[in-house]
Amino acid sequence: DTGVSQNPRHKITKRGQNVTFRCDPISEHNRLYWYRQTLGQGPEFLTYFQNEAQLEKSRLLSDRFSAERPKGSFSTLEIQRTEQGDSAMYLCATEQGIGVVTEAFFGQGTRLTVV
Amino acid sequence: AQSVTQPDIHITVSEGASLELRCNYSYGATPYLFWYVQSPGQGLQLLLKYFSGDTLVQGIKGFEAEFKRSQSSFNLRKPSVHWSDAAEYFCAVGARGGATNKLIFGTGTLLAVQP
Repeated sequence: DTGVSQNPRHKITKRGQNVTFRCDPISEHNRLYWYRQTLGQGPEFLTYFQNEAQLEKSRLLSDRFSAERPKGSFSTLEIQRTEQGDSAMYLCATEQGIGVVTEAFFGQGTRLTVV
Repeated sequence: AQSVTQPDIHITVSEGASLELRCNYSYGATPYLFWYVQSPGQGLQLLLKYFSGDTLVQGIKGFEAEFKRSQSSFNLRKPSVHWSDAAEYFCAVGARGGATNKLIFGTGTLLAVQP
């Protein structure tokens, strides 16, 4: 257990429904990332927060995706109008640092299945 | 563009045998390099990292990796594999600059351990 908590661990939803995932970081960590991992692939970067500011979004993050980190604590990732292609493991990672990448701690992920 | 290549998709070794997992990276500056391990259905655990200094780095669970700038490689090694090492291994480079702070992962190497 790295101390990064993600909920739910598993989510099955029907196509077209909205889903929301939550990530609770290690308490002193100011940076938070979301990654998506599909079967047989490495994680791919989705978005990055430093404190409450969303500083970067990947082109993978379509208009149906939105992420927030109110007050620089927990973060939510919402997918609207889910599609089968959204089925993946969604990983949250957090770290403490300024400037360069230091050491990111990953949660256990939320596995989304869209049926 | 920054990228990470793991040439071996799947490797099988016998318990007690030595292991080397290959990783090649493409990055314009001095890279920050990482190896993560992922057990089935789980998040990623950091094995080791290279930021600077000694090019041979030691990690957890008896793993080590050597940074070779001339070969753009960061191969992971273990002298004697245990059955519990069966998992998927990911090499990653830390991309930084401006607002960019993220990990770029390879596609992973799945390790099977034979008794």
